[in-house]
Amino acid sequence: GQNIDQPTEMTATEGAIVQINCTYQTSGFNGLFWYQQHAGEAPTFLSYNVLDGLEEKGRFSSFLSRSKGYSYLLLKELQMKDSASYLCAAMDSNYQLIWGAGTKLIIKP
Amino acid sequence: IAGITQAPTSQILAAGRRMTLRCTQDMRHNAMYWYRQDLGLGLRLIHYSNTAGTTGKGEVPDGYSVSRANTDDFPLTLASAVPSQTSVYFCASSPKSGSTDTQYFGPGTRLTVL
Repeated sequence: GQNIDQPTEMTATEGAIVQINCTYQTSGFNGLFWYQQHAGEAPTFLSYNVLDGLEEKGRFSSFLSRSKGYSYLLLKELQMKDSASYLCAAMDSNYQLIWGAGTKLIIKP
Repeated sequence: IAGITQAPTSQILAAGRRMTLRCTQDMRHNAMYWYRQDLGLGLRLIHYSNTAGTTGKGEVPDGYSVSRANTDDFPLTLASAVPSQTSVYFCASSPKSGSTDTQYFGPGTRLTVL
C-alpha cells in the first residue's frame, strides 16, 4: 500500500534549527513535496525534490534519499511565524499526491 | 488577484440535505482537485479533473459528485450529507495534469453535518 509517515508534533526554540523527517512508500515515485499550513489556512508550497540530495531555499532546505524512501525538511533560524503544520506528500506513478498527516511545529520563545 | 476562491467559508448542514461547495480559479489551470482534511489524517483526494469536461475519482469519492463544465469552475456536491462528511474541504489546481506541477490551494470550506 501507499503510506507516508511523519512525526505528529515537534517543539523547538526561536532561533534554533529543526529537522522534520518523512518516510514514504508509494507505487512509483515522481517526487516529494513539502507544504506549510498555518492553523485555519490553506497549505502553501515550500519545496519539491525528485533527485537525491539537498535543495536549499533561504532558511528552508529539503533533502531526499530515493533509495531509503526518506526526506527531511530543515528549518534554520526559527521564527515565531514558522509555527505551523508541515505536510509531506509523495507523488506516485499516476502523478497523484499521497499526503502525510502533517507535523505540527511549535516554536517557543 | 489571481488564485482560487471557495464558497462558502463555512457551513452547518442538517444530515440528508444537499450541498454544493463552489471552487473557482482564474489561473487557467487545466487540473483541479477536491480534498478533504480531517484531524490526524493526511489530505485525501475526493475527485479530480484533468481538463474541462473530464472528471475522475480519487481515494474517497463515495457520497460526492463533481462536474467541470469549464476551465475555471469545479463544484463539489454532497447529494445527501451525512455526519461523517464533516470536514474541511480544500479545492486545488495545477497547470497541467499528469505532471509534477505544484498544486495551489484555495482557502477551504469548513463543513459541519449534524
